[in-house]
Amino acid sequence: EAQVTQNPRYLITVTGKKLTVTCSQNMNHEYMSWYRQDPGLGLRQIYYSMNVEVTDKGDVPEGYKVSRKEKRNFPLILESPSPNQTSLYFCASSLLGDNSPLHFGNGTRLTVT
Amino acid sequence: GDSVTQMEGPVTLSEEACLTINCTYTATGYPSLFWYVQYPGEGLQLLLKATKADDKGSNKGFEATYRKETTSFHLEKGSVQVSDSAVYFCALKDSGAGSYQLTFGKGTKLSVIP
Repeated sequence: EAQVTQNPRYLITVTGKKLTVTCSQNMNHEYMSWYRQDPGLGLRQIYYSMNVEVTDKGDVPEGYKVSRKEKRNFPLILESPSPNQTSLYFCASSLLGDNSPLHFGNGTRLTVT
Repeated sequence: GDSVTQMEGPVTLSEEACLTINCTYTATGYPSLFWYVQYPGEGLQLLLKATKADDKGSNKGFEATYRKETTSFHLEKGSVQVSDSAVYFCALKDSGAGSYQLTFGKGTKLSVIP
């Protein structure tokens, strides 16, 4: 089944403790992206990647890192999480074509205390 | 830059009522337009899309027509069901701007009551 898989679904951590949220897609998509969703703010893009070893900042990259060593994986790294990074995070992927829709994972709800 | 404006929610309707969620956009190129739906506890999934002016996207009884003259892509359904309760996002992809980024509206929460 074609899908984007994020793990974990729920994560509670403390300020400053490094964490990684994994994202994997099995559709051979070139494009992958991370979003955070907050009430009243909608979806905001954190980072994106248009191919292996190519990553770019989105609208809200501060406090996050990503890597794209393989086409299928695009982990999101929080080196030193802070409470303002408490949010619902989504990974998404697509082909690069104009009409290609994004496929989303089911989300990771992160709480930083 | 590109932007998407959709009507603020929440929207509460009775079952079998008509639904319209307004969406307007600004874009530098000739964007493709999308509606995504997010059911409780899930990620977003594509509901329908339209890639050029006057195209009509449709799926699950929902429709939206790409109106270039009014820069709009309003979502409509003639008779909503309780199972349509979700958050709906309008979005555009403007490759004419030199990227493949998707720009989202802020979402409209729809609740349908029996």
